[in-house]
Amino acid sequence: GESVGLHLPTLSVQEGDNSIINCAYSNSASDYFIWYKQESGKGPQFIIDIRSNMDKRQGQRVTVLLNKTVKHLSLQIAATQPGDSAVYFCAEGLNQGGKLIFGQGTELSVKP
Amino acid sequence: GAVVSQHPSRVICKSGTSVKIECRSLDFQATTMFWYRQFPKQSLMLMATSNEGSKATYEQGVEKDKFLINHASLTLSTLTVTSAHPEDSSFYICSYRKGQGPGETQYFGPGTRLLVL
Repeated sequence: GESVGLHLPTLSVQEGDNSIINCAYSNSASDYFIWYKQESGKGPQFIIDIRSNMDKRQGQRVTVLLNKTVKHLSLQIAATQPGDSAVYFCAEGLNQGGKLIFGQGTELSVKP
Repeated sequence: GAVVSQHPSRVICKSGTSVKIECRSLDFQATTMFWYRQFPKQSLMLMATSNEGSKATYEQGVEKDKFLINHASLTLSTLTVTSAHPEDSSFYICSYRKGQGPGETQYFGPGTRLLVL
């Protein structure tokens, strides 16, 4: 259907700075969470995931933090680069069924 | 990771025609796959879940007779938009579920941009 006035939250950072993208999820029973990066006109690209029994996980230049108490997820990108400019989505999933529910997304813009 | 392809990447059709979109897993076999739709500046919305060899499970509000899903094999699934109308114009993305339990995740195709005139 038609959606009027929808705008993605945006985050603008300077190249080299750290970025923090936040996400509030809905289901306290979700078993795992995934961060995806989506560039314009492309499908989502897997970045990092975290299980519900963890509160932190690190990858290459990225860290995901999970706070189950307040149902909050964050993605930290270290030394942000222009190539990191994209829309970032969090997604939550249940082991049974494998369905993912996506958050609204955040548009990251990196200024050189 | 995993490699998922979609064909076509972009399609323009007239209102009332049907369009078929293919989704292939290139480097692994998957029993479960998903079809999503994404409107501009919006998030991905799950349309349906399909398991190889059985009927697809559609999300609430998605018409199963309009969006036909055929999970033909462990590496191929198709979505057919029947009698397409301008409001069906969207970005359609498939994904394959890889693994189960603690190691599972989903890998997405590059998407198909559908424009219905």
